[in-house]
Amino acid sequence: DAGVIQSPRHEVTEMGQEVTLRCKPISGHNSLFWYRQTMMRGLELLIYFNNNVPIDDSGMPEDRFSAKMPNASFSTLKIQPSEPRDSAVYFCASSLGRSSYEQYFGPGTRLTVT
Amino acid sequence: AQKVTQAQTEISVVEKEDVTLDCVYETRDTTYYLFWYKQPPSGELVFLIRRNSFDEQNEISGRYSWNFQKSTSSFNFTITASQVVDSAVYFCALKELTGGGNKLTFGTGTQLKVEL
Repeated sequence: DAGVIQSPRHEVTEMGQEVTLRCKPISGHNSLFWYRQTMMRGLELLIYFNNNVPIDDSGMPEDRFSAKMPNASFSTLKIQPSEPRDSAVYFCASSLGRSSYEQYFGPGTRLTVT
Repeated sequence: AQKVTQAQTEISVVEKEDVTLDCVYETRDTTYYLFWYKQPPSGELVFLIRRNSFDEQNEISGRYSWNFQKSTSSFNFTITASQVVDSAVYFCALKELTGGGNKLTFGTGTQLKVEL
């Protein structure tokens, strides 16, 4: 079975540009999570969706970040405009909806903003 | 508030040694879940185990074993006869059933280096 799919795997962009990260969760999973990993702050939850509805976006750093989940099989995380401090690895994860279930992570997108 | 502490930043062992990774957590919930994830050099996060707060039985899976002790709020992970392929960063994580919604709180990770 396919795991969580993320694209692109690597993204290099210049400051001020718009960046869109994409995620396809595991089929049948109804919760989706976006995380950011940096050396300074470790793994941080940015936002999560349940049944395509954003439940908690308290981790989104600022208005430059936005996330959507138009259907059960696709989500995007957009940064506009990007800044060098946004450089990080962004992970998408999915799980069955119940809290007890583990989250399965995608391979991550390594974003570099110059 | 939920919190996970992995005090060991980095551990180096020689292959075939046993190694224990410590995890201490804080929570006010009586129902919660604990997890371990592995992040090898390739970067992906791999799920290893889930344990709920009502199940204190230790678990063994091959060379891996986990020791859950509510009395000390610890969920330690032991690798027996370590191998070079075990080299990775290992994360402990906590999810509260009521207080934290569906959010995982991760520790800062322990970098394990297994050398020949």
